[in-house]
Amino acid sequence: EDKVVQSPLSLVVHEGDTVTLNCSYEVTNFRSLLWYKQEKKAPTFLFMLTSSGIEKKSGRLSSILDKKELFSILNITATQTGDSAVYLCAVGPVGGGGSGTYKYIFGTGTRLKVLA
Amino acid sequence: DTGVSQNPRHKITKRGQNVTFRCDPISEHNRLYWYRQTLGQGPEFLTYFQNEAQLEKSRLLSDRFSAERPKGSFSTLEIQRTEQGDSAMYLCASSLVLVNTEAFFGQGTRLTVV
Repeated sequence: EDKVVQSPLSLVVHEGDTVTLNCSYEVTNFRSLLWYKQEKKAPTFLFMLTSSGIEKKSGRLSSILDKKELFSILNITATQTGDSAVYLCAVGPVGGGGSGTYKYIFGTGTRLKVLA
Repeated sequence: DTGVSQNPRHKITKRGQNVTFRCDPISEHNRLYWYRQTLGQGPEFLTYFQNEAQLEKSRLLSDRFSAERPKGSFSTLEIQRTEQGDSAMYLCASSLVLVNTEAFFGQGTRLTVV
């Protein structure tokens, strides 16, 4: 069964710290891995990774994928209180082929709290 | 374009009542997804539409749940005879029909069954 596992489940750091969030996956038909940030309501898209070893960066956030070892990391440097959120990892869209279905499979998320 | 829109944002209902939620996806997105999220968990897949065709339903979607997307645009999710265990955030997302693409989420409808 396709699954996504994130670690740690929660993390408390102080402003200025650097954090690394982990995501491992097992999926039969991998297309891409996605990272989302969820503060109060809707998950907002951060990155989509499809190829191993190519780092995606956006400001203080960066992410990389290892398709051989089936994992990804999300790094946040110089954390700020505004980074406090749940970070979700997903793989997808899985499915396709003859089934005609596509869906994203999410991990449970990592809850990050950044203290001032 | 204002993104994915869901309403209502909050719904409190008594056990046994029926509820219906609406999702308006991004206009050019042919794929539409419903997810359910409970506290401390990631979004769990419920069902998927491509245009008006419902192509997959999760085992989580009991017979009390039904979803429609009649003209391939907005979608509705109905829960009949609600139970306390149905209390959750119901998220709608949409995406383009591409091999590699991200899904965009709405703000969700938080359902509380009392």
